Amino acid sequence: GAVVSQHPSRVICKSGTSVKIECRSLDFQATTMFWYRQFPKQSLMLMATSNEGSKATYEQGVEKDKFLINHASLTLSTLTVTSAHPEDSSFYICSARDMEAGNTIYFGEGSWLTVV
Amino acid sequence: DAKTTQPTSMDCAEGRAANLPCNHSTISGNEYVYWYRQIHSQGPQYIIHGLKNNETNEMASLIITEDRKSSTLILPHATLRDTAVYYCIVRSPYNQGGKLIFGQGTELSVKP
Repeated sequence: GAVVSQHPSRVICKSGTSVKIECRSLDFQATTMFWYRQFPKQSLMLMATSNEGSKATYEQGVEKDKFLINHASLTLSTLTVTSAHPEDSSFYICSARDMEAGNTIYFGEGSWLTVV
Repeated sequence: DAKTTQPTSMDCAEGRAANLPCNHSTISGNEYVYWYRQIHSQGPQYIIHGLKNNETNEMASLIITEDRKSSTLILPHATLRDTAVYYCIVRSPYNQGGKLIFGQGTELSVKP
């Protein structure tokens, strides 16, 4: 299947700082990417849909000013967690839609964020 | 989006077939059935998807009932590396960006 890569895989940041996570589609172009978060022993929760060249669409209850999403190119979307707090510590996962593969969605490896 | 119902957990002996059921009784005509799995601390891995015909690839087979209200994912010869949470998701690839909404999935344990 198509390859989606996230960076960094693990990051530790101090409370109050911002941290950026990158999501890249390596072998296909993705006009649409998705960001999820996952807490231990829970399922994935969709945070937002990232659209290339336009604003992201956030799911209900997700603060758009806290979780900034930028999708400036067809292969890169970024999630910035602003003013991070310990409760933002989580596993963040991105995915990308491959239009050449029947709109199948492929996922990145995930990024562990720990806020101390 | 249509919701799915899956057993919380299942066990399977190594080398045997693993049959994972999924109910999706409210699936609509333009929704496909997708299967993903997530091995601990990794991103989900795409397995297979189908609309109404049975599908097979190098990883698994997908059997969809004629009324499309349920399906079964078959791993023909389960190995220890198939231990994971398996998610059955119904999705229209063309609506609302084609987003995937995850349920709780089935935790499959393959035992020696």
